[in-house]
Amino acid sequence: KQEVTQIPAALSVPEGENLVLNCSFTDSAIYNLQWFRQDPGKGLTSLLLIQSSQREQTSGRLNASLDKSSGRSTLYIAASQPGDSATYLCAVLSIKAAGNKLTFGGGTRVLVKP
Amino acid sequence: DTGVSQNPRHKITKRGQNVTFRCDPISEHNRLYWYRQTLGQGPEFLTYFQNEAQLEKSRLLSDRFSAERPKGSFSTLEIQRTEQGDSAMYLCASSGRNDLGLAGGYWTGELFFGEGSRLTVL
Repeated sequence: KQEVTQIPAALSVPEGENLVLNCSFTDSAIYNLQWFRQDPGKGLTSLLLIQSSQREQTSGRLNASLDKSSGRSTLYIAASQPGDSATYLCAVLSIKAAGNKLTFGGGTRVLVKP
Repeated sequence: DTGVSQNPRHKITKRGQNVTFRCDPISEHNRLYWYRQTLGQGPEFLTYFQNEAQLEKSRLLSDRFSAERPKGSFSTLEIQRTEQGDSAMYLCASSGRNDLGLAGGYWTGELFFGEGSRLTVL
């Protein structure tokens, strides 16, 4: 059974500092990995999708890496801004998962202080 | 707006009442998912449809829960005889083939989520 862990659960940084968010998963047989952003009381916004054959994806200030063999992904957010304050969730789509369902981590709650 | 749409956004009900949530997926997406999220936790899978067929149900989905997707378009999630433990955010997501003009297309596996329906059971 796939398990996804995100550490730390919460993170507070001053504005301008780079953010590093970690995600680990137990089964390396994955189809892809997605990073999402969630604002309080809202749904999930897709940030980056990394296919299993890829090592990283970039979008603006965001960069996500994937190391399938070690079961880890890292989301980097450069030059953080107060507007980056949100919960960040990673999710993996396992090849063996019936129904092709995503398994989510518990999220990292980020606060960027002005 | 062509994103995933969920209604109602917030439902407050008394214990024992029935509630129904609706999800309209992105047009032509053949895959539709329901997830449940409680405060401070990541979303948990409930059920999955491919077109109108319900192909997978989580053990979290007790007999009081039923989901349908008639005609393979919108979906409804009904909870009967609600309990306080049902209070959560119910998220719908859809997914489909990459249709960037490639012959046959392929499934990227990317899921697109709606804004969610928050249920509060008093």
